[in-house]
Amino acid sequence: DAGVIQSPRHEVTEMGQEVTLRCKPISGHNSLFWYRQTMMRGLELLIYFNNNVPIDDSGMPEDRFSAKMPNASFSTLKIQPSEPRDSAVYFCASSLAEGGGEAFFGQGTRLTVV
Amino acid sequence: GESVGLHLPTLSVQEGDNSIINCAYSNSASDYFIWYKQESGKGPQFIIDIRSNMDKRQGQRVTVLLNKTVKHLSLQIAATQPGDSAVYFCAECYYGGATNKLIFGTGTLLAVQP
Repeated sequence: DAGVIQSPRHEVTEMGQEVTLRCKPISGHNSLFWYRQTMMRGLELLIYFNNNVPIDDSGMPEDRFSAKMPNASFSTLKIQPSEPRDSAVYFCASSLAEGGGEAFFGQGTRLTVV
Repeated sequence: GESVGLHLPTLSVQEGDNSIINCAYSNSASDYFIWYKQESGKGPQFIIDIRSNMDKRQGQRVTVLLNKTVKHLSLQIAATQPGDSAVYFCAECYYGGATNKLIFGTGTLLAVQP
């Protein structure tokens, strides 16, 4: 397996634009997590899904953020409209819900909003 | 459980020495703990885990110690190598409804001097 695949690796966009980050989890994993990493706040859990259903989105900072998982092999995190303070590295991770909790992370998407 | 890090703690060690990285967790109900290693430009990678009913677990060159009384976790790396230089995160895992919820600590930068 190629692991968790995220795209794009880097994204630079202007304030006010819509940004869509994509994630393909490891085949067979039924839990998917979106994290945001910044120097100020570290690794923050934004939202996670189990069997394509959002379980906890309490970490989503604002209504500008939304996430979907239309099927077991694909998830998106959308920011609309984007703001400079959204600049961060966004990670997607997947795991087996029945597992102990070990999550496998993608390489991340570095988002810069100017 | 949220990570807020204005200053990343740094541990500087000489190559060949043993390293000890410490972590305090917040949720006494957490039943699973994981150490992750994050190299520059990459996503976090699993190192070792420990269940809450254990107080010690050993892997290859790494040992994790758990003290539930004071909610403290440590990672010991024997014979530290330059390749061990990275940011190390502890994560606590607890059941958050349908699946395990993984919350990360602030992180510690390990710098190995040759």
